Amino acid sequence: NAGVTQTPKFRVLKTGQSMTLLCAQDMNHEYMYWYRQDPGMGLRLIHYSVGEGTTAKGEVPDGYNVSRLKKQNFLLGLESAAPSQTSVYFCASSQSGSDTQYFGPGTRLTVL
Amino acid sequence: AQSVTQPDIHITVSEGASLELRCNYSYGATPYLFWYVQSPGQGLQLLLKYFSGDTLVQGIKGFEAEFKRSQSSFNLRKPSVHWSDAAEYFCAVGLFSGGYNKLIFGAGTRLAVHP
Repeated sequence: NAGVTQTPKFRVLKTGQSMTLLCAQDMNHEYMYWYRQDPGMGLRLIHYSVGEGTTAKGEVPDGYNVSRLKKQNFLLGLESAAPSQTSVYFCASSQSGSDTQYFGPGTRLTVL
Repeated sequence: AQSVTQPDIHITVSEGASLELRCNYSYGATPYLFWYVQSPGQGLQLLLKYFSGDTLVQGIKGFEAEFKRSQSSFNLRKPSVHWSDAAEYFCAVGLFSGGYNKLIFGAGTRLAVHP
């Protein structure tokens, strides 16, 4: 099993451009999460989903949108990228809300 | 507010030496506790977790951690470090709220290993 995969691995955007990050998991997990990681800080939750067709805001949701049209996929969108969104983005999934979260390899995004 | 503190930003040890990484949390009840490791360019891998029961938890790669309620700590230990242990280590607290396990991460400790 691949576990949690993320595409792309790297991306450079100009301010104002849009893009979508894709997260896929093959563990049939119900819950999926998007985090961002910034230097000197731990991971912070952007949005999460408790099942197909559901999404909810996390700690730092502003400037991001998400969709969970299929159980195995969780998309993170930036409609108008800003330099403050330069970060490493991690996706995670878990079987239930109380279970261990398993993380993908990350996407490094730079916004110029 | 809940928080996780990892007091050491960088630690350097010699290969074969023992290791202890510190983690303190602020939370009213006993939370779920985790240690994750992140190798360069990689995602986070779970080393071990504590939910309840025995306060000394064994994990992968020879790591263990001890939960001490009186000190609000969950320190990670390894008796003999290998060069491949060089990575960044994150302590996290899981607060089950709103139907899911909200993870609050510490800022991380970067471990360097000298040969």
